[in-house]
Amino acid sequence: GAGVSQSPSNKVTEKGKDVELRCDPISGHTALYWYRQSLGQGLEFLIYFQGNSAPDKSGLPSDRFSAERTGGSVSTLTIQRTQQEDSAVYLCASSSGGLAGDIQYFGAGTRLSVL
Amino acid sequence: GDSVTQMEGPVTLSEEAFLTINCTYTATGYPSLFWYVQYPGEGLQLLLKATKADDKGSNKGFEATYRKETTSFHLEKGSVQVSDSAVYFCALCPPYNTDKLIFGTGTRLQVFP
Repeated sequence: GAGVSQSPSNKVTEKGKDVELRCDPISGHTALYWYRQSLGQGLEFLIYFQGNSAPDKSGLPSDRFSAERTGGSVSTLTIQRTQQEDSAVYLCASSSGGLAGDIQYFGAGTRLSVL
Repeated sequence: GDSVTQMEGPVTLSEEAFLTINCTYTATGYPSLFWYVQYPGEGLQLLLKATKADDKGSNKGFEATYRKETTSFHLEKGSVQVSDSAVYFCALCPPYNTDKLIFGTGTRLQVFP
């Protein structure tokens, strides 16, 4: 597709379950970002992948959160043992080169609700 | 650390009114500055950007000028429309650490006919 694709668009899960969120970046984009948008917290950076370099995981809030990017394209964000405070919209973005002035293109997000 | 501060909303205007949404930043060096918009039910979209001091970004009638002396990037539009109702986010990308956007908290704009 032409844009960043995220799935599922909505996910409802029970506290303690694991969830996987998927992101398909724009074809050819080497940089991929995950952000979280939650009430009261605004938009916060989670993790960044650039090419074959080691990802910057500095924004991950706890060790229950992990992400991988296979083949330099699709990325999966995994949240283990979900908690109610994990409820948020998880946004994925990609850019062509990861430079400061590059435009990050965002997907529509996955709305996660933890009951 | 680097940060972005923008005015709290909601901002409520009548159609054709003048819009200003204030944004100021704290950063080392010369960051790139962005305004993103999120329409109801949609993802974030880039509205405009500026990458160096005194640059003016513009798009869809919106403008913002990169002011280094006041560390500001205020968003303006001369005549808003109902279709401009959305949440607007100011953001910066540090020049030394290009792996993230640092966002403001967002400002909701509501335009009534």
